[in-house]
Amino acid sequence: DVKVTQSSRYLVKRTGEKVFLECVQDMDHENMFWYRQDPGLGLRLIYFSYDVKMKEKGDIPEGYSVSREKKERFSLILESASTNQTSMYLCASSLVLLGTGELFFGEGSRLTVL
Amino acid sequence: DAKTTQPPSMDCAEGRAANLPCNHSTISGNEYVYWYRQIHSQGPQYIIHGLKNNETNEMASLIITEDRKSSTLILPHATLRDTAVYYCIVRGWIYNQGGKLIFGQGTELSVKP
Repeated sequence: DVKVTQSSRYLVKRTGEKVFLECVQDMDHENMFWYRQDPGLGLRLIYFSYDVKMKEKGDIPEGYSVSREKKERFSLILESASTNQTSMYLCASSLVLLGTGELFFGEGSRLTVL
Repeated sequence: DAKTTQPPSMDCAEGRAANLPCNHSTISGNEYVYWYRQIHSQGPQYIIHGLKNNETNEMASLIITEDRKSSTLILPHATLRDTAVYYCIVRGWIYNQGGKLIFGQGTELSVKP
């Protein structure tokens, strides 16, 4: 089975801290995604990557950056965390970008910024 | 903005079929209909997808209308473990956007004993 692993299920950080959220997938998927999920707003796409070192902005990239140095790993970076970035962060991967590729999600990382 | 419309909540009796509707009136010819579900405190899980024909797998059936403007996910014998939020999503490939998924609000399905 495809496994998408997020490094931390729960994090608590302080305003202004730099935060790294790590995601690793074990199925050699080209495409990886970072979403955040907030009550009443559903899942919103932050960034995605379709190849190593390639990245594309999603709907809400402000305040975030990403890194994809290796195919299996996609990192989300909050350069200076703010309280409005308190959220559930979900990483996903897929084999193809076309309509036939399903997304496999990790368990999520719940970040609280104080 | 989400491209699908779903009822916010539904109830279903355990053992009965759960029929979850989705409206996607602006769907284009190269877009697939996907269904995911999210059980509390977990990441979304893929259920099924289709283009224009009805589809069935071990989890569910997907019925897509002939004009493709709406679809229904059917859980034939709902159990308590099917209680979750169900998302209907249309997905295609858009150059420079990589076929990103747009999640709407979903339908919160409660299966009751």
